[in-house]
Amino acid sequence: AQSVTQLGSHVSVSEGALVLLRCNYSSSVPPYLFWYVQYPNQGLQLLLKYTSAATLVKGINGFEAEFKKSETSFHLTKPSAHMSDAAEYFCAVSDGNGKLIFGQGTTLQVKP
Amino acid sequence: DTGVSQDPRHKITKRGQNVTFRCDPISEHNRLYWYRQTLGQGPEFLTYFQNEAQLEKSRLLSDRFSAERPKGSFSTLEIQRTEQGDSAMYLCASSLAGGGRETQYFGPGTRLLVL
Repeated sequence: AQSVTQLGSHVSVSEGALVLLRCNYSSSVPPYLFWYVQYPNQGLQLLLKYTSAATLVKGINGFEAEFKKSETSFHLTKPSAHMSDAAEYFCAVSDGNGKLIFGQGTTLQVKP
Repeated sequence: DTGVSQDPRHKITKRGQNVTFRCDPISEHNRLYWYRQTLGQGPEFLTYFQNEAQLEKSRLLSDRFSAERPKGSFSTLEIQRTEQGDSAMYLCASSLAGGGRETQYFGPGTRLLVL
């Protein structure tokens, strides 16, 4: 069975600082992994996904994530935080049939 | 491509009433998913369709919940005899079937409050 754990329900960074949001997964099959962002009262928007090609995946808005099989991790990073990055971030793994299993989410706060 | 739309965006109802939500997927997408999200949690899978066939239902989907996708286009999710525990955001997503690597595109959600 697949599962996702996001370490840290709240992360606070200063504007311009590095953003690091942690995600560890468990999967019985080679995983397909996703990061989504959710702004208040909105649906989810895909940031990036890993589908067994390059292990370093670049997404929208300057975000990237690195798939590390040995660590079962797929952490999300951005070199320099912007105020507009404040949102809820969800890591998800596909069950192989298309269903997504989401983590609990991490709220990113960006301080001026 | 107009994106995934959901209607209504907000619904307030009294316990025991029935409610129905509608989802219109991206037109060429053959898969449609329903998820439920409670406050402070990630979305939880409820059910999904490929064309008009309902392929999987979660254990979360009690017999008070029913979903349809009659012509393989829009879908409806009905909750009968609503309970306060049904209060949540109901999210719809659509995709092209792709072995699990496909991107799901989400709608804005329907927020349900059961009083």
